[in-house]
Amino acid sequence: ETGVTQSPTHLIKTRGQQVTLRCSSQSGHNTVSWYQQALGQGPQFIFQYYREEENGRGNFPPRFSGLQFPNYSSELNVNALELDDSALYLCASSLEAGPLNEQFFGPGTRLTVL
Amino acid sequence: DQQVKQNSPSLSVQEGRISILNCDYTNSMFDYFLWYKKYPAEGPTFLISISSIKDKNEDGRFTVFLNKSAKHLSLHIVPSQPGDSAVYFCAAIYFGNEKLTFGTGTRLTIIP
Repeated sequence: ETGVTQSPTHLIKTRGQQVTLRCSSQSGHNTVSWYQQALGQGPQFIFQYYREEENGRGNFPPRFSGLQFPNYSSELNVNALELDDSALYLCASSLEAGPLNEQFFGPGTRLTVL
Repeated sequence: DQQVKQNSPSLSVQEGRISILNCDYTNSMFDYFLWYKKYPAEGPTFLISISSIKDKNEDGRFTVFLNKSAKHLSLHIVPSQPGDSAVYFCAAIYFGNEKLTFGTGTRLTIIP
C-alpha cells in the first residue's frame, strides 16, 4: 500500500499568480484534509473533503479552494497569491471523516511566493 | 488566537533519560488530543492520542497524560532514543468539528 504523495515538491510563484497543488491519498481513503504550515508554526487546517464534498473549513479566504476526485486524488487551488501564502502545504488522508480516524500525511509542497 | 500552545520550542535530552514534552490548550470544547512526530522532509506521523474521558494513555515507550482541569497535556518518552529526535506537535479536536488544531511544535534532540 503506497502512502500519501504530493506534487510538486517545491514551487516558486509570484504575487497575483494562481497555483494548483496535488495530493494522492491512500487507496480507499474517502477523506482528505489540507493544511498550511508557515515557518516556525504548526499546521493550520484549511479545509477537508469527504467523498468529493467540502466537509469543514478553517479560517482561510475563498481564494483557497479544493477539489477531490473519485480516484483518491485531490487538489488545492490558491488564486491571487500573496507573499504570506509562502508555506509548506500538507495534505492528509483518512479512511473516513471524524477525529478517531487516523490522518496520514504527505511530505508536503513547499510554496514560495515572490 | 492560539488555542493549542507548546511553549518550549526546543528540548535536549540525554539518551536513555526521560523526555517530557508539554502542551496547553484554551478551548474547553476539545475532547480528543493527539501527538504527531515530524522528521525533516516528511509529513507528520501519528504517535499517540488520548480521549478527554481518560487521564493517561500508554503505548510502549510513549505515555500521554491529560489534566483537564489545568487544560494541560504532556508526552513522556522513556527511555529516549536517538531516533526520537524530531519535531513533536500536539493537536486537539472536538467531535462534530473536523478541524484539527495544532500547536507550534517542540524540537526534541536526543544527545547520544
